[in-house]
Amino acid sequence: GENVEQHPSTLSVQEGDSAVIKCTYSDSASNYFPWYKQELGKGPQLIIDIRSNVGEKKDQRIAVTLNKTAKHFSLHITETQPEDSAVYFCAASGTGRRALTFGSGTRLQVQP
Amino acid sequence: DSGVTQTPKHLITATGQRVTLRCSPRSGDLSVYWYQQSLDQGLQFLIQYYNGEERAKGNILERFSAQQFPDLHSELNLSSLELGDSALYFCASSLQGVTGELFFGEGSRLTVL
Repeated sequence: GENVEQHPSTLSVQEGDSAVIKCTYSDSASNYFPWYKQELGKGPQLIIDIRSNVGEKKDQRIAVTLNKTAKHFSLHITETQPEDSAVYFCAASGTGRRALTFGSGTRLQVQP
Repeated sequence: DSGVTQTPKHLITATGQRVTLRCSPRSGDLSVYWYQQSLDQGLQFLIQYYNGEERAKGNILERFSAQQFPDLHSELNLSSLELGDSALYFCASSLQGVTGELFFGEGSRLTVL
């Protein structure tokens, strides 16, 4: 089955700096790659996703890039703010597969 | 608010016991997913239901079972509980399936003593 690895497990940045979280996946058939943000005491919430026919997608301060050849995708957060502090999960899935496989999560702390 | 409701929010029980976790999906969503999140771990997929039928199974133990009822709410039953079953159990629902957004509830925290 699919295996998703996520790095780093923790990341601390200064407010205003950029943060990058990287994931690799194993199944070349995967074609959907969402990112979820989990704040303390809450369930994960989708922040951005990308499909395999696109190399990059941007939404305000958040962007995701996908390299299908290398089977890795990354989340980029620019101009980080304290409210960006949370645990971020990447995930992968493909057509015919009925479950998302999640990475192990990255705890991002933005220092004011 | 995701629109997904999970009860109870917290549950403390003893080893060997059985508990039931309940999930009400967002209005209109036919798919329900159950995930387990252990301490400092990622989200492990347990099982998916679509309109009352089981659609996919993940790493769900034989001691665990689930069902989705005609009103689309779902229950996850955990039996013969062990210390290692202590975790956050999330329910999520979706309209499109896994290649669309999953809406997660706030989870049920199970502590087995």
